[in-house]
Amino acid sequence: DAGITQSPRHKVTETGTPVTLRCHQTENHRYMYWYRQDPGHGLRLIHYSYGVKDTDKGEVSDGYSVSRSKTEDFLLTLESATSSQTSVYFCAISENRGRTPYTFGSGTRLTVV
Amino acid sequence: DQQVKQNSPSLSVQEGRISILNCDYTNSMFDYFLWYKKYPAEGPTFLISISSIKDKNEDGRFTVFLNKSAKHLSLHIVPSQPGDSAVYFCAASEGAQKLVFGQGTRLTINP
Repeated sequence: DAGITQSPRHKVTETGTPVTLRCHQTENHRYMYWYRQDPGHGLRLIHYSYGVKDTDKGEVSDGYSVSRSKTEDFLLTLESATSSQTSVYFCAISENRGRTPYTFGSGTRLTVV
Repeated sequence: DQQVKQNSPSLSVQEGRISILNCDYTNSMFDYFLWYKKYPAEGPTFLISISSIKDKNEDGRFTVFLNKSAKHLSLHIVPSQPGDSAVYFCAASEGAQKLVFGQGTRLTINP
């Protein structure tokens, strides 16, 4: 979707290194989310944001941190990457938190070796 | 605690027939339900939704049914087409709370 872009699309990194994934939106939506998708687990929420500098943890937040200094950008940082963090990461945006569809980005495939 | 469950990891259907994808939930306070479709190397895209005040919602070949007493949601695709081959996620929310997603079902449409 043109209103939300993720970068990079693919990344290979070494265990123990920090990694930052970026999500950028042009829709001026208040809510932004980071999910990871793994086989058998579906989409699991890592962190979400409900405004600039306002963030909260999701169900699988250990080992991850986020920052939102501008409405349009939401960054996900793996503080010290581990092989268990090899996954596909999706950013999503929404105008409201519930009772509304989220719009997803195209994803970042991260491999930790 | 998995509040939204898709118990079938995969489903194979012949082209032209009906595809039925199922989803069960445990939270009786959920009042909004959605289905997403996901192709490989792409993000999930919104397909159809239903509010708990309804038991059916249609959009072209796609119909979502909600059975609140059974806490069961289903997506019917009629007729199924090769382009429908994808992973389908159901999701639900309670009031202004965040969406909760199921594990996904991979649908394969065979010619």
